[in-house]
Amino acid sequence: GAVVSQHPSRVICKSGTSVKIECRSLDFQATTMFWYRQFPKQSLMLMATSNEGSKATYEQGVEKDKFLINHASLTLSTLTVTSAHPEDSSFYICSATKARDGRDTEAFFGQGTRLTVV
Amino acid sequence: AQSVTQLGSHVSVSEGALVLLRCNYSSSVPPYLFWYVQYPNQGLQLLLKYTTGATLVKGINGFEAEFKKSETSFHLTKPSAHMSDAAEYFCAVHNAGKSTFGDGTTLTVKP
Repeated sequence: GAVVSQHPSRVICKSGTSVKIECRSLDFQATTMFWYRQFPKQSLMLMATSNEGSKATYEQGVEKDKFLINHASLTLSTLTVTSAHPEDSSFYICSATKARDGRDTEAFFGQGTRLTVV
Repeated sequence: AQSVTQLGSHVSVSEGALVLLRCNYSSSVPPYLFWYVQYPNQGLQLLLKYTTGATLVKGINGFEAEFKKSETSFHLTKPSAHMSDAAEYFCAVHNAGKSTFGDGTTLTVKP
């Protein structure tokens, strides 16, 4: 299989500060990574699609200036929550698909990051 | 466009009983379908997937699912529930890298 590593697994930050979450594909190259958010007792909702070397594509209703996404290499995408507020507290999960496999058949998920803003 | 509907947000079974979690999908292209399990405060664990080929797919922990195109369904079953199966289950359809998830089903297993 393919391994996606997310770091950190848990983070607590003060309101108004910024937090960076990393998503790495450990044993494959991923031209595309995806960021999801999961509120308690809810499903995963796609926030944005991250393409290596280009700007991320955000889903409707997701503030691109608040959730900064950088995909600088084929193995790393980062999500920065800027000026975090308690309502940003959530579980953030990334996924990655293998590069140049034609029609990809599966996304590989990281283990998630629990963000708590106090 | 694609969507997933999981019927029943909560399912409760007795230990040893049959588990049936329902999933219906909508997809504009031949679907790739997945079932994931999520334990509290953890990420997603892939249970099984259907991409092409045999419509009955077997996964980990004794779970299996059958892809029925005519019914646009991909229900998850397990013949005999175990206490450790208590968790949240998500059905998902995958296309062009994006995964669209159902709302999830909480499985409770009673002793």
